[in-house]
Amino acid sequence: KQEVTQIPAALSVPEGENLVLNCSFTDSAIYNLQWFRQDPGKGLTSLLLIQSSQREQTSGRLNASLDKSSGRSTLYIAASQPGDSATYLCAVPSGSARQLTFGSGTQLTVLP
Amino acid sequence: DTGVSQNPRHKITKRGQNVTFRCDPISEHNRLYWYRQTLGQGPEFLTYFQNEAQLEKSRLLSDRFSAERPKGSFSTLEIQRTEQGDSAMYLCASSLPTFYTFGSGTRLTVV
Repeated sequence: KQEVTQIPAALSVPEGENLVLNCSFTDSAIYNLQWFRQDPGKGLTSLLLIQSSQREQTSGRLNASLDKSSGRSTLYIAASQPGDSATYLCAVPSGSARQLTFGSGTQLTVLP
Repeated sequence: DTGVSQNPRHKITKRGQNVTFRCDPISEHNRLYWYRQTLGQGPEFLTYFQNEAQLEKSRLLSDRFSAERPKGSFSTLEIQRTEQGDSAMYLCASSLPTFYTFGSGTRLTVV
């Protein structure tokens, strides 16, 4: 059974810092890995999708990397802004339905 | 068709009542999923449709829960005889085939 873990559970940084969020998964036979953002009380917004054949994916100030062999992914956020404050979730598809298995998320607070 | 739409956004109900949520997926997506999310946790898978066929159900989906997707279009999730433990955010997602788009969710509060 796939298990996904995210560390740290919460992170508070001053504006302008570069930061790294971590995601690990137990079964390395994944199709892809997806990072989401969730604002309080809201649904999930897709940030980045990394296919299993890719090493990294970039969108603006976000860069996600994937190391299947070690079962790890990182989300790098450059020059953080208060608007980046949210919970960040990683997820991998598994099972016959390719349903997503999520980590518990990292709650990020960027202080002005 | 700009995304996945869920209604209602919020629902408050008394314990023991039945509730129904609706999800309208992205029209080209033949896969539809329901997830449940409680505070401080990631979403947990409930059930999966490919077109109109319900192909997978989680053990979380007790017999008080039922889901349908008539004609492979919108989907409904019904909870009968609600309990306080059913209070959660219910999220719908559609995919093509493994890039997921989520709706804004329905927040259920059982009082």
